[in-house]
Parts: sequence; C-alpha cells; structure tokens
Amino acid sequence: KAGVTQTPRYLIKTRGQQVTLSCSPISGHRSVSWYQQTPGQGLQFLFEYFSETQRNKGNFPGRFSGRQFSNSRSEMNVSTLELGDSALYLCASSLETGVLNTEAFFGQGTRLTVV
Amino acid sequence: AQKVTQAQTEISVVEKEDVTLDCVYETRDTTYYLFWYKQPPSGELVFLIRRNSFDEQNEISGRYSWNFQKSTSSFNFTITASQVVDSAVYFCALSEGSGGGADGLTFGKGTHLIIQP
Repeated sequence: KAGVTQTPRYLIKTRGQQVTLSCSPISGHRSVSWYQQTPGQGLQFLFEYFSETQRNKGNFPGRFSGRQFSNSRSEMNVSTLELGDSALYLCASSLETGVLNTEAFFGQGTRLTVV
Repeated sequence: AQKVTQAQTEISVVEKEDVTLDCVYETRDTTYYLFWYKQPPSGELVFLIRRNSFDEQNEISGRYSWNFQKSTSSFNFTITASQVVDSAVYFCALSEGSGGGADGLTFGKGTHLIIQP
C-alpha cells in the first residue's frame, strides 16, 4: 500500500510569507503527527491530530498551526515566516493513537527554505 | 521533563565490524516507550523498534539487537557485521505515558553512522 505522502517536497519562501504543507497518511491511519527537523535543534514534535482533533501539541509559537480533514489528510500552516523556520518538516502516520498504537510511518518530508 | 541523549555524534567503522549506538534517557514516568529510527539520506524516518518500559527483554532481529536496561536508563542498539547499506543517521526516541506512537516523541540528536567499504 502507498506510504505517507508529503507535498510539496521542496519549498522556498520569503520572510513574512505564510506556507501550507500537506500530508496524506497511509490509508486507514487516523493519527497524523508533525515534526520539525533542524541541524541545531534536531527533531522536535509540533502537534498530533487524531480524528480531526488536535490531541497533543509541542512547544512552538502560535504561528504554527495545523488541521486534519475527515479523510485523515492533514495540513500544517506557518504564518509570518522567519529565517529560523527553515527546516525539514516530517509527517508521521499511525493507525491508532496512544497506548493502542504500535508504530508510526514517516513521510520523506518537506524541505522548507526561508530567504 | 523527558530527555534523550545520544552522546555519539558520528561513528565510522569498516564494513563487517560490529557497532553499538548508545542511548540514555530521562523520564519521571513509570510508563514510557522507547524507539529507534533510521534516517537514510532520502529523509524519511524508518521505524526499527518500539519497546515499553515494562518489557526489559532484549531483542534480536537479524543483524540488529537492542539492549534495554532500566537500571542505567539505557536502550542501546547494536549492528552486527555492519554493511555499507547501514550508513544513515540513527535516532533514539522516548514517549511518555499513553504516547505509544509518534505522538509527542522526544528524539535524541542522532548518531551519524558511516560504514566504509
């Protein structure tokens, strides 16, 4: 079956702009999590959605937001982009959430560059 | 607060050597999950193993093995007879409480493993 699909793969934006990234989970998976990966901070948890509801949120400013649709596809949005937002954004898809879960599958990520 | 430390930033070995990647974690929860992921140059994180805090049994999967020791808060990963295809960045991660999946994972900084032919 198809894996986790993230679009676009690469993106270049200007400071102050906003951006929307998309994640299509594996068919049947209802949990989607987002992570930011930078050389300095490493991998950091952004938020998790399950059945269209945000269940968990990491320590990021309100400029970072997300949502999940009824088909489990998820989008994350970053407003008023800053140079420090340049990163690889990874999406993870899971069948369930919490203790019922066993493993998560990650997409290849979206490489965002802010200039 | 939870924390994962991978002290080895980069390891370089010659093919066929055994190599161990260290992972030390900190948590106040009695229920938690530990993970190892592999990140090849293509970018996606590949799941290797998930272990809960109540299962200290070591695990072997082919050339891979994991040693979980609660007494030292360590979850080390050993590759036996390494191969060039094992070259990647390896991440150890921790999830507390009910976070059995990817929700709220705390990752270590990763160990870049280089296997030279």
